[in-house]
Amino acid sequence: GEDVEQSLFLSVREGDSSVINCTYTDSSSTYLYWYKQEPGAGLQLLTYIFSNMDMKQDQRLTVLLNKKDKHLSLRIADTQTGDSAIYFCAERRGSTLGRLYFGRGTQLTVWP
Amino acid sequence: DAGVTQSPTHLIKTRGQQVTLRCSPKSGHDTVSWYQQALGQGPQFIFQYYEEEERQRGNFPDRFSGHQFPNYSSELNVNALLLGDSALYLCASSLASSTYEQYFGPGTRLTVT
Repeated sequence: GEDVEQSLFLSVREGDSSVINCTYTDSSSTYLYWYKQEPGAGLQLLTYIFSNMDMKQDQRLTVLLNKKDKHLSLRIADTQTGDSAIYFCAERRGSTLGRLYFGRGTQLTVWP
Repeated sequence: DAGVTQSPTHLIKTRGQQVTLRCSPKSGHDTVSWYQQALGQGPQFIFQYYEEEERQRGNFPDRFSGHQFPNYSSELNVNALLLGDSALYLCASSLASSTYEQYFGPGTRLTVT
């Protein structure tokens, strides 16, 4: 398909791990991104991974990339209530000079 | 080090009017991209400016135009506003030599009545 796909909602209990999944569209995409958006705010760049990597870890965040299936995931360890937000997956396709294609976002709700 | 700034924060306009939104990129960045985020949707690419020229454009009508100034700041202009133009308009800045890192501003919330 043409669109980056994400599930719309995820609820977890505080202290658990969260896993947000994404399917992107272009096998030639060079970079894959995760952005976070809190209510009424812009997008915060959380992390990104280059297409020649399988995994990237950054403190509580772990990104896994499966190029064969065009699947990207973001794992947040020890999820906190402050992690409640919308998480967007985005891809940079081929030679599109930095243009990003976004999914619709996953609303993560963390319960105390 | 100032991040990406946008003005105004909120704006209310009437159908048929024209609007100008402004963006100052992160210090050291030379490329500005504009995105439209409708309610409940992901951001959609409008266009990108580099060296004061539009470098690429998304699927938006000619009513949407832009400009980049010598100091790398940018404006987004929308003419003949429609109700469907109501959205959060986001500016993203990057460095042309390494556009894989894009940083977004807080956005301008445009409401068309």
